[in-house]
Amino acid sequence: GENVEQHPSTLSVQEGDSAVIKCTYSDSASNYFPWYKQELGKRPQLIIDIRSNVGEKKDQRIAVTLNKTAKHFSLHITETQPEDSAVYFCAASKGGSYIPTFGRGTSLIVHP
Amino acid sequence: DAGVTQSPTHLIKTRGQQVTLRCSPKSGHDTVSWYQQALGQGPQFIFQYYEEEERQRGNFPDRFSGHQFPNYSSELNVNALLLGDSALYLCASSVAITLAKNIQYFGAGTRLSVL
Repeated sequence: GENVEQHPSTLSVQEGDSAVIKCTYSDSASNYFPWYKQELGKRPQLIIDIRSNVGEKKDQRIAVTLNKTAKHFSLHITETQPEDSAVYFCAASKGGSYIPTFGRGTSLIVHP
Repeated sequence: DAGVTQSPTHLIKTRGQQVTLRCSPKSGHDTVSWYQQALGQGPQFIFQYYEEEERQRGNFPDRFSGHQFPNYSSELNVNALLLGDSALYLCASSVAITLAKNIQYFGAGTRLSVL
């Protein structure tokens, strides 16, 4: 089955800095890669996603890049703010069911 | 428009007991998936229900079972509870897959503690 590795497990940055979270996947058939943000005690919320026919996608301060050859994808957050502090999960899935396999999460801490 | 709702929010059980968790999907959604999220881990897929049938299943024992009702709501049942079953149980709803983009909306979860 699919295996998703996520790094780092914890990321501490100063407000205004950029943050990058990296994930690798094992199944070359995976073609949908969502990112979720989970604040403490709350539900995971989709923040951005990318499909395998696209190399990069941006939404305001958030961007995701995908390298299909290397089987890795990354989340980039620019101009970080304290409210960006949360656990971020990457996931990978493939067509048909779109059942995502999640990474173990990255705890992002943004210091004011 | 209500999102995905789960009940109860918290539950405490003892080893060997049985538990039932409930989920109402987002309006317009017909597919329900259940996940187990242990502390410090990502959600792990348990199973998915569509048209009142289990459509896919993850790597969980038969102690975990489910049901989907005609109104698309769903239940997760866990028998013979073990300490290791302590986790946040998340329900996610979506629209049945064709070739359309499928986004899963998560509920807030049920925190199960097994003592």
